[in-house]
Amino acid sequence: QKEVEQDPGPLSVPEGAIVSLNCTYSNSAFQYFMWYRQYSRKGPELLMYTYSSGNKEDGRFTAQVDKSSKYISLFIRDSQPSDSATYLCAMSANLGTYKYIFGTGTRLKVLA
Amino acid sequence: EPEVTQTPSHQVTQMGQEVILRCVPISNHLYFYWYRQILGQKVEFLVSFYNNEISEKSEIFDDQFSVERPDGSNFTLKIRSTKLEDSAMYFCASTDCAGSCEQYFGPGTRLTVT
Repeated sequence: QKEVEQDPGPLSVPEGAIVSLNCTYSNSAFQYFMWYRQYSRKGPELLMYTYSSGNKEDGRFTAQVDKSSKYISLFIRDSQPSDSATYLCAMSANLGTYKYIFGTGTRLKVLA
Repeated sequence: EPEVTQTPSHQVTQMGQEVILRCVPISNHLYFYWYRQILGQKVEFLVSFYNNEISEKSEIFDDQFSVERPDGSNFTLKIRSTKLEDSAMYFCASTDCAGSCEQYFGPGTRLTVT
């Protein structure tokens, strides 16, 4: 079983739709959960950062972590064509180096 | 807003040549990282660096790779003898880990080995 699994997509939605992106993981030591957005051939851009379980909201973005199910989600409300990108989940255990383990990324296309 | 910068944006080299990829982390950050992303694949951890030494390295980071912080601002990744399979995007990241430990990534260097 891979440490972090993420559906690669592509996921196509109409403008204005609510988008749900998800990752599952197997390592119960993960405590930090991140979502990055990556445009083609660019660096990952941090969107959301969550520690342990719970929800976090930032504008149109909501991150949810369910540690009991080892499942994290990112919701995008009122999606826009500019949201079209690859969304990467990343996770880290509190083991000093804080290295990130990434999912494969989900490619999202929001259609105008 | 402070950001991580990387140079060059694109490097083409011949197999067997040495390359040095350069990064300037965010100025008050203390932890530095290199990741790579082969085209179409996931971002993979290579190495972390703290207090002027390697904290952790992955299996990918073999003897051909080295990192250095030659001065107070730069952080470099050297590949001694490049192979075709080293072709990838290389991302530098940094964090201050003061409370939270979000890593901020640079725009990447695309390395093409021919």
